[in-house]
Amino acid sequence: EADIYQTPRYLVIGTGKKITLECSQTMGHDKMYWYQQDPGMELHLIHYSYGVNSTEKGDLSSESTVSRIRTEHFPLTLESARPSHTSQYLCASSGSFTGELFFGEGSRLTVL
Amino acid sequence: AQSVTQPDIHITVSEGASLELRCNYSYGATPYLFWYVQSPGQGLQLLLKYFSGDTLVQGIKGFEAEFKRSQSSFNLRKPSVHWSDAAEYFCAVALTGGGNKLTFGTGTQLKVEL
Repeated sequence: EADIYQTPRYLVIGTGKKITLECSQTMGHDKMYWYQQDPGMELHLIHYSYGVNSTEKGDLSSESTVSRIRTEHFPLTLESARPSHTSQYLCASSGSFTGELFFGEGSRLTVL
Repeated sequence: AQSVTQPDIHITVSEGASLELRCNYSYGATPYLFWYVQSPGQGLQLLLKYFSGDTLVQGIKGFEAEFKRSQSSFNLRKPSVHWSDAAEYFCAVALTGGGNKLTFGTGTQLKVEL
């Protein structure tokens, strides 16, 4: 059973607000990821981290930022949310070199 | 860059019927291959994976997949579908030595008729 948690599960906010999506894992995994998922579309990697104080941008450009101060915690922040940020955001972690990811249940963000 | 194609956006099968979901990838070498399943409102769960060796791999929930190098395919199969299998299925690839960055297909939505 994977132990990776995302909060909030659902968030509806107004344009211009700052939001932080939380992601925590209790498996001691070094690698963590944020994917963005829109209906009918593939998952797009927007951020990843291979360890503490290591963060990289993914294949899809995103206005969000991430931090990795602790191994278990990988929050995603939007400084000023816009309707174009409406999407589902999935956090994942991995402890192996072979690409097997464990996913959280996702955070569905709606920006009005 | 590698890419993953799932040509079927929606598939409907009757309960008890067999299932095959198609996946093709584009990459110069053999990548690591995965199938994930996503139930409504949930994250993704790993069904099975292929790294090397036997080209027929078994996964959870009675699923299997066959890697065919000549066709660059990794199709998912199940002999008898259950109503609880209704979900979205994603094929994914990772570069060998690529640091676990997965590239996903667009997914196939499976509907099961009772």
